Amino acid sequence: KQEVTQIPAALSVPEGENLVLNCSFTDSAIYNLQWFRQDPGKGLTSLLLIQSSQREQTSGRLNASLDKSSGRSTLYIAASQPGDSATYLCAAYTGGGADGLTFGKGTHLIIQP
Amino acid sequence: GAVVSQHPSWVICKSGTSVKIECRSLDFQATTMFWYRQFPKQSLMLMATSNEGSKATYEQGVEKDKFLINHASLTLSTLTVTSAHPEDSSFYICSARQGARKQFFGPGTRLTVL
Repeated sequence: KQEVTQIPAALSVPEGENLVLNCSFTDSAIYNLQWFRQDPGKGLTSLLLIQSSQREQTSGRLNASLDKSSGRSTLYIAASQPGDSATYLCAAYTGGGADGLTFGKGTHLIIQP
Repeated sequence: GAVVSQHPSWVICKSGTSVKIECRSLDFQATTMFWYRQFPKQSLMLMATSNEGSKATYEQGVEKDKFLINHASLTLSTLTVTSAHPEDSSFYICSARQGARKQFFGPGTRLTVL
């Protein structure tokens, strides 16, 4: 059974810093891996999706990488801003038909002004 | 991108009553919809998968008679929490997928059972 772990559980950094969030998964036979943002009491906003054949995806200040062989993905946030404060979730999709996503517990990020 | 809506966004009910939550894909046809549950400070846990026109597939530990799922059309799935109890209070999020494409998530429904 797929298990997804995110480290750290919480992170607080000053505005302007570059930072890296880590995600690891136990079953490397994934179809894709997705990073989401969740604001308090809200639903999910998809940030980046990396297909199993890809190594990275970029969107603005965000860059996500995927290393299937080691079971790891990272989300890099450049020049962090207070508006980036949220919980970041990674989720692995193992495929196999109708399976849902397996989520990590998230990293709660606070960007200090 | 594709839009998924949920209704209601929040609901408060008395213990023992039933609550229905709707999930709609607004601009695409969803062959598969998923229901997740999220407890405070926890991650999303998949409850069940529903394919249009067939019975839902429930994850281990999720009572199918308590969480009734209906996916009668390609744009609508409903989750009914029957005889709700305080321990069912949670944040319920649905997602919809078209074929093999990625899932699009709804905004969630906050259920509080008194």
